[in-house]
Amino acid sequence: DIQMTQSPSTLSASVGDRVTITCRAGQSISSWLAWYQQKPGKAPRLLIYKASTLESGVPSRFTGSGSGTEFTLTISSLQPDDFATYYCQQYYTFSYSFGQGTTLE
Amino acid sequence: QVQLVQSGAEVKKPGASVKVSCKASGYTLSDYYVHWVRQAPGEGLEWMGWINPLIGDTKYAQKFQGRVTMTGDTSINTAYMEVNTLTSDDTAVYYCARDGDEASTISYWGQGTLVIVSS
Repeated sequence: DIQMTQSPSTLSASVGDRVTITCRAGQSISSWLAWYQQKPGKAPRLLIYKASTLESGVPSRFTGSGSGTEFTLTISSLQPDDFATYYCQQYYTFSYSFGQGTTLE
Repeated sequence: QVQLVQSGAEVKKPGASVKVSCKASGYTLSDYYVHWVRQAPGEGLEWMGWINPLIGDTKYAQKFQGRVTMTGDTSINTAYMEVNTLTSDDTAVYYCARDGDEASTISYWGQGTLVIVSS
């Protein structure tokens, strides 16, 4: 299974800040990476797939980049609704795997 | 619209089994793989495996091989996930999920089923 490592685990930020979360894969996954947002008690929500493609309905302040083994999720100007936990997930192989999560507080 | 509706919360004793259902609506179950993902309290997301309901083919994460069984009943558009020999470490919310058409990865999620394992 491909190991996915996110950093940081927790990120303290304020409304209006620009924040970046990093995700590293244990081997090259090309661009087969997705980002999810999860709020307490809710199922995750897909934000970005194929490393940089914004899912329909997701605000444009979310951007994804990277390929190979290193990826980033950037939120350009934090809004109150963005305080949540974010997960990266690889789907390069038939065995998916998630990063351990980054909590934005 | 696509909906995945899961069965209700369960409380089980250690050593028992649990079977969670996931009823799909808005699409035909056999047209897409169904994934299962779990989340222990306060922890991250853990992918468990998938089933291709059309032919019954499955792929399990190594950690769950031999203890988890995923099945599907296309006649009632429902997928199932059974975990055997439960321990307290299996206490978690279990989600079923489906890939999207554009994204080719998990895009739709069930509401989650809480399974508590306690003596």
